[in-house]
Amino acid sequence: EDQVTQSPEALRLQEGESSSLNCSYTVSGLRGLFWYRQDPGKGPEFLFTLYSAGEEKEKERLKATLTKKESFLHITAPKPEDSATYLCAVPRGGNDMRFGAGTRLTVKP
Amino acid sequence: DVKVTQSSRYLVKRTGEKVFLECVQDMDHENMFWYRQDPGLGLRLIYFSYDVKMKEKGDIPEGYSVSREKKERFSLILESASTNQTSMYLCASSTPGQSQPQHFGDGTRLSIL
Repeated sequence: EDQVTQSPEALRLQEGESSSLNCSYTVSGLRGLFWYRQDPGKGPEFLFTLYSAGEEKEKERLKATLTKKESFLHITAPKPEDSATYLCAVPRGGNDMRFGAGTRLTVKP
Repeated sequence: DVKVTQSSRYLVKRTGEKVFLECVQDMDHENMFWYRQDPGLGLRLIYFSYDVKMKEKGDIPEGYSVSREKKERFSLILESASTNQTSMYLCASSTPGQSQPQHFGDGTRLSIL
């Protein structure tokens, strides 16, 4: 069965302190890996799709990378407005997805 | 921009009531999904639909049903609400294809008393 595991569950950073979030997956035949951001009381907001090992995508202070077994979301010099829960997901057999449980990021000023 | 609108942000109902959650998307997406989100468990798929009048069970369909009479609207029905159905419910839509991102509404926080 497809599995998506995110670590850590929660991460507290000081403003400007760079770090990485991890998403490891076990799927047969990866058809993309998706990253979302979710603010409290809101639905997930789509950030990136990565399709093949070695691929990288960037958006402001976020950079997502992909290997054959895991993806990293690197956060460079984070600001308090980057505080959110970050979710990763992989497509399943049909058009639906399996989501990880998320990493709750808090950036203190 | 894709807009997925859920009819209520907060809802309080009583045990045994029949509850309707409504979702409308404005991008002519074929696929629509209902999830529930609980702390520590992440998003779990309840039902999804690939087309009008079509529905497929997700991972946790027990106690729920759905209706899709029009392409833009997907309704989740709790036939007889129970306290363990207290949760955040999220609706999403996407275009067909396994590599298409889903676009979410802002959720309905449902409390069953």
